[in-house]
Amino acid sequence: QSALTQPPSASGSPGQSVTISCTGTSSDIGGTNSVSWYQQYPGKAPKLIIYGVTKRPSGVPDRFAGSKSGNTASLTVSGLQADDEAEYYCSSHAGDNIWYVFGTGTKVTVL
Amino acid sequence: EVQLVESGGVLVQPGGSLTLSCAASGFTFSYYFIHWVRQSPGRGLEFVSAVSPTGVATYYGNSVKGRFIISRDNSKNALYLQMGSLKTEDTAVYYCVREGRDNGIHSQAFDSWGQGTLVTVSS
Repeated sequence: QSALTQPPSASGSPGQSVTISCTGTSSDIGGTNSVSWYQQYPGKAPKLIIYGVTKRPSGVPDRFAGSKSGNTASLTVSGLQADDEAEYYCSSHAGDNIWYVFGTGTKVTVL
Repeated sequence: EVQLVESGGVLVQPGGSLTLSCAASGFTFSYYFIHWVRQSPGRGLEFVSAVSPTGVATYYGNSVKGRFIISRDNSKNALYLQMGSLKTEDTAVYYCVREGRDNGIHSQAFDSWGQGTLVTVSS
């Protein structure tokens, strides 16, 4: 049950964009459209920000956008704001034995 | 407002047992898959277990298969996780998590999370 691979950190200045990658295999990301992204502040529970690769739950601003190519999913945060500074995790359905896998997490810093 | 409130996390010795509970409110509990997801500093977020809306189907991560049992009581809007043969690597915050629905279909994404309950396995 290997975790999906994310870069440990990413950063950008206010107003800029940052893109986070999430690399898996053909058994998870490459084989499903059930890829989701979560934002987590220290000491708090994760919050769903993207599901179904590209969909945003109600209330999540359109500055957050998801995409996928092959075995890699990506989250782009545009127009960076101070409160975007958080840990971000990807997740993927992984078939009828592993069920779900999560990414290793990326700490986004707003400079 | 959707609420998921976990309880039962404590310090327990290796080899011991423990049952976690989750009380749900603010939504029709019996319509949703409910999951346990855990988070530890060394292992990050990890899928633990899930149960279907009726409770008939259950699913487990490889690291807990054969040791943990998930169940639900839809009449009480409650979820449970019976944890046995506990290991130090089971130490984590355990979250009760709802799998969302999108146009009536289970979304395979986790749209509501509890605040978590800490399980510490140590001698």
